[in-house]
Amino acid sequence: AQSVSQHNHHVILSEAASLELGCNYSYGGTVNLFWYVQYPGQHLQLLLKYFSGDPLVKGIKGFEAEFIKSKFSFNLRKPSVQWSDTAEYFCAVNAGTGNQFYFGTGTSLTVIP
Amino acid sequence: ETGVTQSPTHLIKTRGQQVTLRCSSQSGHNTVSWYQQALGQGPQFIFQYYREEENGRGNFPPRFSGLQFPNYSSELNVNALELDDSALYLCASSRRGSSYNEQFFGPGTRLTVL
Repeated sequence: AQSVSQHNHHVILSEAASLELGCNYSYGGTVNLFWYVQYPGQHLQLLLKYFSGDPLVKGIKGFEAEFIKSKFSFNLRKPSVQWSDTAEYFCAVNAGTGNQFYFGTGTSLTVIP
Repeated sequence: ETGVTQSPTHLIKTRGQQVTLRCSSQSGHNTVSWYQQALGQGPQFIFQYYREEENGRGNFPPRFSGLQFPNYSSELNVNALELDDSALYLCASSRRGSSYNEQFFGPGTRLTVL
């Protein structure tokens, strides 16, 4: 079975600090990769996705992620965080033609003004 | 906001009871997936419905069952509720046959089992 690991459970940053959240998955075949964000009291929203092509993908709100196939990783980055980025972040993996999404346990990000 | 809606928003049941949760998919979507998100955890895949049939199932017992209707809306039924069933239940819709497999999530139903 596939699994997704998010190593940072809770991250606290000051505004303007840089962010990198780790995500590793276990599956040897073709994968689709996603980062979702859940703002307090809101539903899950897609931040960005990778299906193929350029391994560096850009999403909404200045977020980007890099797919490194050899490391089975899809880390999320943002050069300068804002207070409004305070939220729960989930990495998710979907096998190429499969139906099931596997989510990590999430990383809670708190940005201090 | 996505076009996925779920009802009810909150629900309180007692152990042993049965519950039905509902989901309306986004316009143009033909596939519905259900997830259970326990407190402090990521969503766990329960099952997916496509063309009114179950099309993939996670590690959940048979007392978790579902339906999909011709208009692509869906129900999740849980029988013989247990305390550990307390969680946020998420519905996600997608379009099978599109160029990529992106899911759009609803706001969830918060189920509390006492």
